[in-house]
Amino acid sequence: EAQVTQNPRYLITVTGKKLTVTCSQNMNHEYMSWYRQDPGLGLRQIYYSMNVEVTDKGDVPEGYKVSRKEKRNFPLILESPSPNQTSLYFCASSQDSLFGSTQYFGPGTRLTVL
Amino acid sequence: AQSVAQPEDQVNVAEGNPLTVKCTYSVSGNPYLFWYVQYPNRGLQFLLKYITGDNLVKGSYGFEAEFNKSQTSFHLKKPSALVSDSALYFCAVRDDGMNRDDKIIFGKGTRLHILP
Repeated sequence: EAQVTQNPRYLITVTGKKLTVTCSQNMNHEYMSWYRQDPGLGLRQIYYSMNVEVTDKGDVPEGYKVSRKEKRNFPLILESPSPNQTSLYFCASSQDSLFGSTQYFGPGTRLTVL
Repeated sequence: AQSVAQPEDQVNVAEGNPLTVKCTYSVSGNPYLFWYVQYPNRGLQFLLKYITGDNLVKGSYGFEAEFNKSQTSFHLKKPSALVSDSALYFCAVRDDGMNRDDKIIFGKGTRLHILP
């Protein structure tokens, strides 16, 4: 089944404890992206990647890191999480970065930073 | 830079009635418009998109959307609402113009409540 998977789905952690949220897609998509969803703010893009070893900042990149060493994986790293990073996170992928490409979303990771 | 607006935070519709979820956009070039739906505890699912051609776009679950260039709108519609349509709906836009941000921009979302 074609899908985007994220792990973990739920995570409670404490301030400053490094964490990684994994994202993997099995559709051979070139483009991958991370979003955070906050009430009243909709989806905001954190980072995106147009292909392996190519990443770029989105709207809210502060406090996050990403890497794209393989086409299928795009992990999101929080080196020193803070409470303002408590949010619902989504990974998404699309075949390419062309204007009309449809994005496919993972199920989400709900992160709470205490 | 492109932008998208969903003017209603919430829309309530009785089951069986037609529904409309509004979306307006601003672009510097040609718009590429999308609707996504989010059910509780799920990721976003693609409903439909407009790239070019026919202004009326049909999508999943009986939804359709009408592209109106003069009004810069892309409203989502369904002739007869179901309780199972209750969800959070997002409009999104990409822009191919010279002044674009090279990414997709999402609206803040509209929560649709279908009342039995």
